[in-house]
Amino acid sequence: DGGITQSPKYLFRKEGQNVTLSCEQNLNHDAMYWYRQDPGQGLRLIYYSQIVNDFQKGDIAEGYSVSREKKESFPLTVTSAQKNPTAFYLCASRATKTYEQYFGPGTRLTVT
Amino acid sequence: RKEVEQDPGPFNVPEGATVAFNCTYSNSASQSFFWYRQDCRKEPKLLMSVYSSGNEDGRFTAQLNRASQYISLLIRDSKLSDSATYLCVVNMDTGRRALTFGSGTRLQVQP
Repeated sequence: DGGITQSPKYLFRKEGQNVTLSCEQNLNHDAMYWYRQDPGQGLRLIYYSQIVNDFQKGDIAEGYSVSREKKESFPLTVTSAQKNPTAFYLCASRATKTYEQYFGPGTRLTVT
Repeated sequence: RKEVEQDPGPFNVPEGATVAFNCTYSNSASQSFFWYRQDCRKEPKLLMSVYSSGNEDGRFTAQLNRASQYISLLIRDSKLSDSATYLCVVNMDTGRRALTFGSGTRLQVQP
């Protein structure tokens, strides 16, 4: 089955801890994206990568970091510098020459 | 002004009703438009792309008005299973091929 997986589904952390969210795809898509969604709001772009070993900041990159060492994988680290990390995090991928993005099931992060 | 603006709703309609959502976008250079559906606490799923000439997929019809910079989604013969939040999505930045999402319009279909 082709698709995007994110793990874990729910994550709880204490303030001050870094946490890494996993995103894997087997769709052979070049581009991958991380978004954050807060209640009642639209998705906001955190980071994106159009090709392996390259990534760019999105609109709200502060307090986050990413890596793209493999085409299939685009992990997101939420650092202690992120002031309001509690949110629903969504990973997406896109095929070349298209705009449609396909999403993983998301990780709901709660930081207390 | 938000880049992609939608009425948050909720739209409460009876089964079998026809319902329409509109969305406006700010960037006149935008080229690609979509409607996504998001169920409660789930990921968004692509419902349909929106083409300049308008397009239909079963009970769903999408229209684009470039002059007025708005997109519409019409749902005919509403089913209970259509209850969800509908996200209007536009590409604003061709350089990064990123999409800009509206906050969504919530639809509740009542039995």
